[in-house]
Amino acid sequence: RKEVEQDPGPFNVPEGATVAFNCTYSNSASQSFFWYRQDCRKEPKLLMSVYSSGNEDGRFTAQLNRASQYISLLIRDSKLSDSATYLCVVNKAGGYQKVTFGIGTKLQVIP
Amino acid sequence: DGGITQSPKYLFRKEGQNVTLSCEQNLNHDAMYWYRQDPGQGLRLIYYSQIVNDFQKGDIAEGYSVSREKKESFPLTVTSAQKNPTAFYLCASSIEGNTRTQFFGPGTRLTVL
Repeated sequence: RKEVEQDPGPFNVPEGATVAFNCTYSNSASQSFFWYRQDCRKEPKLLMSVYSSGNEDGRFTAQLNRASQYISLLIRDSKLSDSATYLCVVNKAGGYQKVTFGIGTKLQVIP
Repeated sequence: DGGITQSPKYLFRKEGQNVTLSCEQNLNHDAMYWYRQDPGQGLRLIYYSQIVNDFQKGDIAEGYSVSREKKESFPLTVTSAQKNPTAFYLCASSIEGNTRTQFFGPGTRLTVL
């Protein structure tokens, strides 16, 4: 089983729709979680951290479910500019905090 | 402006040649990383460095070498021993701490001819 698993998509959604992605992780010792956004042929950029209590940033909501070992990203009122690949990132504690990236979920928002 | 720069943006190499990819940061971050990204795969860690003059192999270090003589700089050499070097190479840095959010450079796209 992969350490971090994501559905690669693509998810094709109309403008204004709500879309959700999940990401599962296998290591229960994982400590911190993030969503990054990567535009085509560009570098990943931090979108938001994910906290157990859930957190929201505008139209974006991130949730962590430790019991089931997954994180989620919800995007409301999708914009064309949201089209990108969303990478799930999981950090494991240790002398070096191993960082594992998912393969990313591709979102295409269509007019 | 603080950030991470990588050069060159595009690089073409003949088989059998070594090439060095540059990565510089002025964020005063202690930790720096090199990843490669291939289609359909997540970022894979090549090497990382937590402090100057120290670095560790990541998951796919074979055929690569690094140095960390200055805090700001972490160059990556792709040697002729790397069997499939064509990829998108990303350098990142982070401050020490539990959250370890990483900031990425714009990447270098290496193509072996």
